[in-house]
Amino acid sequence: GAGVSQSPSNKVTEKGKDVELRCDPISGHTALYWYRQSLGQGLEFLIYFQGNSAPDKSGLPSDRFSAERTGGSVSTLTIQRTQQEDSAVYLCASSLTGQGAYEQYFGPGTRLTVT
Amino acid sequence: GDSVTQMEGPVTLSEEAFLTINCTYTATGYPSLFWYVQYPGEGLQLLLKATKADDKGSNKGFEATYRKETTSFHLEKGSVQVSDSAVYFCASSNYGGSQGNLIFGKGTKLSVKP
Repeated sequence: GAGVSQSPSNKVTEKGKDVELRCDPISGHTALYWYRQSLGQGLEFLIYFQGNSAPDKSGLPSDRFSAERTGGSVSTLTIQRTQQEDSAVYLCASSLTGQGAYEQYFGPGTRLTVT
Repeated sequence: GDSVTQMEGPVTLSEEAFLTINCTYTATGYPSLFWYVQYPGEGLQLLLKATKADDKGSNKGFEATYRKETTSFHLEKGSVQVSDSAVYFCASSNYGGSQGNLIFGKGTKLSVKP
């Protein structure tokens, strides 16, 4: 079946502009995660959704970052007023539930470059 | 807070050599432990996992045993191949917790030479 998909695959934007990154999880997966992969920080957890709710937003690096999920499916990560330090690969993952033992399936990522 | 520490790379081995990548964790609860692999140009994929102490995860000739007494989950393979060249990430997740986000080590790049 279809895996996790993300769009766009690459995004180049100018500093100060807003960007939206999209994630389509595996059908039937109730849990959805956003991570960021950068050279200096490795893989960082950003936010988790169980259904449409995000019980913990503490991983978001600043208030310029927000995320939503609708219909228990598609999720959008929005970065406002982008900065150069936001340049990274943004990964989305989904799993059957939010319990830790279940495998997370990762999408191919969106490479964001802020110039 | 919870954390994962793995040996820094890069690691370069000849084909058929023995591989060990060390991983240790700190956790307040009872985490599940994972090894993820990222092949060149591809996304992260699960290699193996263990959900409780003394469990052994295995896949594609790789093995790792969940050692609670040493808080470790070292990855091993008896004979590596060129196709094993990739970046390997150790990760933990709070088993039984309601969130289950993964905490990753910084990754170890493995290069296998023919």
